[in-house]
Amino acid sequence: EAGVTQFPSHSVIEKGQTVTLRCDPISGHDNLYWYRRVMGKEIKFLLHFVKESKQDESGMPNNRFLAERTGGTYSTLKVQPAELEDSGVYFCASNQLHNEQFFGPGTRLTVL
Amino acid sequence: GDSVTQMEGPVTLSEEAFLTINCTYTATGYPSLFWYVQYPGEGLQLLLKATKADDKGSNKGFEATYRKETTSFHLEKGSVQVSDSAVYFCALSASNNFNKFYFGSGTKLNVKP
Repeated sequence: EAGVTQFPSHSVIEKGQTVTLRCDPISGHDNLYWYRRVMGKEIKFLLHFVKESKQDESGMPNNRFLAERTGGTYSTLKVQPAELEDSGVYFCASNQLHNEQFFGPGTRLTVL
Repeated sequence: GDSVTQMEGPVTLSEEAFLTINCTYTATGYPSLFWYVQYPGEGLQLLLKATKADDKGSNKGFEATYRKETTSFHLEKGSVQVSDSAVYFCALSASNNFNKFYFGSGTKLNVKP
């Protein structure tokens, strides 16, 4: 069974540009989560999808971040326009019901 | 609000040394507690968990006991191996929202042969 996959693994962009991160959860998992780790600090919750609906988006930092999960399968997280403080590692996780969350390897985003 | 504090790293140990990584938490109610591990180039993997006070989670020689009186969940291993080199994250999920995790800042462990 394939795990959670994320694309790209690394992204380097200029301030003001747009970047879209993609997450493919484990097949059949209704719950999908986005987290972010900035500058070696704690991993922070961004939002939670149940199928295609946003269940909790309390961790989204501002309106430059847009997450979607059309069709309830893969999810994208778009940052537009990117700022320097958006640099970090973005993790995606998925699970079914209240079981263990399975994490992807993360996307390292660098904004110059 | 809910939060997790864990000891800063990096922690460097020789093979077969004893490991302790401290973790304390702040939460209302009765959270569930977790340790996740991230090996180089990989995603976070669940190492162990405890869902109620005095529970002990264990896996791969690692242990952690849920101590409500000290709000702690320290990770221990009696004899570390080079293959244990990784970043370890302490985390909690709130009792009123199991799906929302709060993580610590991570502790990098380097084990030298």
